Amino acid sequence: SQQGEEDPQALSIQEGENATMNCSYKTSINNLQWYRQNSGRGLVHLILIRSNEREKHSGRLRVTLDTSKKSSSLLITASRAADTASYFCATDRNYGQNFVFGPGTRLSVLP
Amino acid sequence: AAGVIQSPRHLIKEKRETATLKCYPIPRHDTVYWYQQGPGQDPQFLISFYEKMQSDKGSIPDRFSAQQFSDYHSELNMSSLELGDSALYFCASSIARTGYPTEAFFGQGTRLTVV
Repeated sequence: SQQGEEDPQALSIQEGENATMNCSYKTSINNLQWYRQNSGRGLVHLILIRSNEREKHSGRLRVTLDTSKKSSSLLITASRAADTASYFCATDRNYGQNFVFGPGTRLSVLP
Repeated sequence: AAGVIQSPRHLIKEKRETATLKCYPIPRHDTVYWYQQGPGQDPQFLISFYEKMQSDKGSIPDRFSAQQFSDYHSELNMSSLELGDSALYFCASSIARTGYPTEAFFGQGTRLTVV
């Protein structure tokens, strides 16, 4: 089964609301990264959190990591229509030799 | 800032043909990764290279091969194409730095359609 599974698979919210997406994984990791992908486009790197970090902020993004539960969450505050995209987490288990992606969450922010 | 450049952006091939995808990493990045993303799927790791040597191998079919050249660009060669090879192919690059986590930056992808 997949290393890195997103929850929920799809999320619809109104502009201005907060969006929370979760990611779980199965094995120990070195770090975890979140990416955004607009429909059929490239993967944009959002934020990286190391395995020894618990929380990280970048603008309207807040990422948490709970290694005991093998899970991470991505919170987007004050969402905008432009945040509509798919969001993926990717885990690094092998010191950058490869990254394992989860199935992604499709976020729709309605105006 | 310079990003990962992939070419071509779109490619249409017939079954059993061969395709070559190219990737130019961010300057000074020494690691290249290839991923395949089918419609509605998550990106699947194919192969990676560090300093021109294969670093790790994922679910890359035997019909595919890749290499990283002396200028660090990489090519993914795909032979005997099948309809199921139609997908978005991403290249990513990173730089290995002692004591720092590895961040991978992705290109815009090559959309391959096999007809």
